[in-house]
Amino acid sequence: DTEVTQTPKHLVMGMTNKKSLKCEQHMGHRAMYWYKQKAKKPPELMFVYSYEKLSINESVPSRFSPECPNSSLLNLHLHALQPEDSALYLCASSQILAGIQETQYFGPGTRLLVL
Amino acid sequence: RKEVEQDPGPFNVPEGATVAFNCTYSNSASQSFFWYRQDCRKEPKLLMSVYSSGNEDGRFTAQLNRASQYISLLIRDSKLSDSATYLCVVNGGGQNFVFGPGTRLSVLP
Repeated sequence: DTEVTQTPKHLVMGMTNKKSLKCEQHMGHRAMYWYKQKAKKPPELMFVYSYEKLSINESVPSRFSPECPNSSLLNLHLHALQPEDSALYLCASSQILAGIQETQYFGPGTRLLVL
Repeated sequence: RKEVEQDPGPFNVPEGATVAFNCTYSNSASQSFFWYRQDCRKEPKLLMSVYSSGNEDGRFTAQLNRASQYISLLIRDSKLSDSATYLCVVNGGGQNFVFGPGTRLSVLP
């Protein structure tokens, strides 16, 4: 099973709203990622969690706040977003095993529209 | 120079054609390599990992040239359903996955 799930599938929010995106995997992967993808562009890395600790933050504005409550779950809390934050938000996971090639698996994404 | 480069295309090919994509990378310490396909408004899906000896999966063949720092993807007997964006992904170690800009393929009837 190589499934990563994300909720919600679609989200429309105003610039003063607070919302959260959720991601879940049960593959035993210990690295989890948030990406942002705009139309006709490749995914752009936002955050990486390794063993539930934030290991990479690609200078993302503080209106995006990640959280990793346990090894299966990853959240992205959104507050005071701007219209230019509208995009597809992708979650991914990969295993961390010495000597084993890591492969990323992506969830279906949350399509976010900020009005 | 960008870390991972691809010709953005689009490549417009007739059904049944053979098409090849290349991808170059700048980090000589890169450890693993992948091709993903992404359909419009969907997530990237792993197509193939790319191994040093080259590997084949049905109509798809991937090759790695470490000396020249490029990987390639060959699609034989193209189908309409192969129309998608093909993303080259290079892992520089650990959780450091770098995406190329993607190559758009349209297979025409």
